[in-house]
Amino acid sequence: RKEVEQDPGPFNVPEGATVAFNCTYSNSASQSFFWYRQDCRKEPKLLMSVYSSGNEDGRFTAQLNRASQYISLLIRDSKLSDSATYLCVVNGGGNQFYFGTGTSLTVIP
Amino acid sequence: DTEVTQTPKHLVMGMTNKKSLKCEQHMGHRAMYWYKQKAKKPPELMFVYSYEKLSINESVPSRFSPECPNSSLLNLHLHALQPEDSALYLCASWDEQFFGPGTRLTVL
Repeated sequence: RKEVEQDPGPFNVPEGATVAFNCTYSNSASQSFFWYRQDCRKEPKLLMSVYSSGNEDGRFTAQLNRASQYISLLIRDSKLSDSATYLCVVNGGGNQFYFGTGTSLTVIP
Repeated sequence: DTEVTQTPKHLVMGMTNKKSLKCEQHMGHRAMYWYKQKAKKPPELMFVYSYEKLSINESVPSRFSPECPNSSLLNLHLHALQPEDSALYLCASWDEQFFGPGTRLTVL
């Protein structure tokens, strides 16, 4: 079983839509959680850390559900510039980080 | 200085060449990582250095040889690579995994 499972998509949504991504993890002892954004031929960049209380940054909201072992990312009012691959990353403890396969998002005019 | 730098940005090498990739960070992070990423795939962990000691080696072939000369520098020495080793090589440092821009490697 993979450490982190993520729906690869692709998600094609119109501008202004709300889109949500989920990611599940297998290790209940996982300690920290992140969403990264990766543009084509670029490095992944940290979008948000994910906390148990949930956190919001503008149009982006991240949630963690420890009981069900999943994290989510909600993007409201999608912009064309949101088109990218979104990677969930889970820290399994120590220096070990596990990546989801990435979810491809295309926002259509 | 909140960034990770990598050189070179692009590298083309033959299967008999020896080359090195370099990574540098000045954020005081004590863990540094090498990842390999193929197109449309997530990064795959290769090596982790913690406090300048190799702590994780994900069964990487010996034609890849990491080196951590000090807490700010990480090298990846390449020798006798295969065409299937062509990929984007990413360096990252802890915490929250700051990634460098990567080296796009092509092996002919």
